[in-house]
Amino acid sequence: EVQLVESGGGLVKPGGSLRLSCAASGFTFSSYSMNWVRQAPGKGLEWVSSISSSSSYIYYADSVKGRFTISRDNAKNSLYLQMNSLRAEDTAVYYCAREAMVTGYMDVWGKGTTVTVSS
Amino acid sequence: QSALTQPASVSGSPGQSITISCTGTSSDVGGYNYVSWYQQHPGKAPKLMIYDVSNRPSGVSNRFSGSKSGNTASLTISGLQAEDEADYYCSSYTSSSTPLWVFGGGTKLTVL
Repeated sequence: EVQLVESGGGLVKPGGSLRLSCAASGFTFSSYSMNWVRQAPGKGLEWVSSISSSSSYIYYADSVKGRFTISRDNAKNSLYLQMNSLRAEDTAVYYCAREAMVTGYMDVWGKGTTVTVSS
Repeated sequence: QSALTQPASVSGSPGQSITISCTGTSSDVGGYNYVSWYQQHPGKAPKLMIYDVSNRPSGVSNRFSGSKSGNTASLTISGLQAEDEADYYCSSYTSSSTPLWVFGGGTKLTVL
């Protein structure tokens, strides 16, 4: 079964750091680009960051550029999101999502992990 | 403000058809056939319903269909059922590297 499982969320103070992980199984992880997408409470979906299969191409939303770092370890079938200088507006459910082989959509999503930034 | 514009809510009775619109620009919806639609029930992860404008993934009911005209894409759900009540989001790949993907603000579908 194709599956993505996020972890690492929690409560953190403004200015703090957190590292999210996404464990992939059931498919050849190293062949796919991966994304992080977040959803603030009661709000819509917001794309956060993308990384290509070999980590050659990395992109960030302007709202997180310079503060968040996406990475992956294909040997461990894992995707990561290092989040620094966290702000209240980063509070959201963070989803890990697989990008389809022939791009254009995200075909597999994890259940998400919740990040709360509050003092 | 979301990059793609969707109506905040739509409603319909069981058995009826509804259409949700998604308006973007020539840099996203109008420029690529990479429009996708996601269904999200409360507290759940998004689920892919339509990709590449009009294609259905395996397992998605043929009551769901998609189309595009110019900078506006549409999702039509026919034969509405109670389980269709959910939030629906459109998405498009874009020509810029930031954002790489854009989403609509979401549409709450209520089955009366």
